[in-house]
Amino acid sequence: DTAVSQTPKYLVTQMGNDKSIKCEQNLGHDTMYWYKQDSKKFLKIMFSYNNKELIINETVPNRFSPKSPDKAHLNLHINSLELGDSAVYFCASSQQGGTNSPLHFGNGTRLTVT
Amino acid sequence: AQSVSQHNHHVILSEAASLELGCNYSYGGTVNLFWYVQYPGQHLQLLLKYFSGDPLVKGIKGFEAEFIKSKFSFNLRKPSVQWSDTAEYFCAVNPSGAGSYQLTFGKGTKLSVIP
Repeated sequence: DTAVSQTPKYLVTQMGNDKSIKCEQNLGHDTMYWYKQDSKKFLKIMFSYNNKELIINETVPNRFSPKSPDKAHLNLHINSLELGDSAVYFCASSQQGGTNSPLHFGNGTRLTVT
Repeated sequence: AQSVSQHNHHVILSEAASLELGCNYSYGGTVNLFWYVQYPGQHLQLLLKYFSGDPLVKGIKGFEAEFIKSKFSFNLRKPSVQWSDTAEYFCAVNPSGAGSYQLTFGKGTKLSVIP
C-alpha cells in the first residue's frame, strides 16, 4: 500500500543510453513532481505536473522528458545519459501544487551513469 | 527567488542530548516554512510546518521549530534525541500563496545519534 512508488530503485547504465524511471501515486493527488538530489544532497525541483498538465519546468536539459499518462503517474525519460546525470531522483505528489499541502515522496531512484 | 541555508552539514550527538538544527532563508516577503526528515533508506516525510500564527510550531516525534522573522530563521529543536532520530533533515520554504510549486529545499543536515 505504498503511497508513492517509483521504479527502479537502482539504475546503473552507460553514457549515451536512454532510460526511464516510473512513478505512481495512489493518494488521489492532483499534482506530481520530479526532484533531483545531487551528490551534495541538494534537492532541486525539475518538473511539476497538475492533472497531467506541465506546470513547472525548471532549467533542465531537454534530454529529460516527463510524461504523465494520467494524474496518478508521472514518468521520467532521459535520453543520451551523461555522467553528470548521476544522482538520486525523487518523485513526489501533493493534493494541489498551488496550495501548501505537504509533499509525499517516493523512496528515490539512484541513477549511476558510467 | 528564495533560498535556504542549513549551516550544519553533519551533527553528531549522544542519546538524551538536546538538538538544534539551524535554518535560514532569504526572501523579501512572507513565507511558509517546513522541515522534512529522511530516515535511512526511506523517503522524505513532513516533520512540521509553519504558515502563520504562533511562531513556535510542534511536529511529530517531539520536534518543534521556532520562526524568528527578524532573523529569517526557522530552527528545529528537540530537547532529548533518541537513536531513532538518526536521519537527514531538510528545511524548505515557499512564498506565501505560491504553494508547493515553488518549494525550495536546503541542502540538508545529517544527524547521527550515538547510543
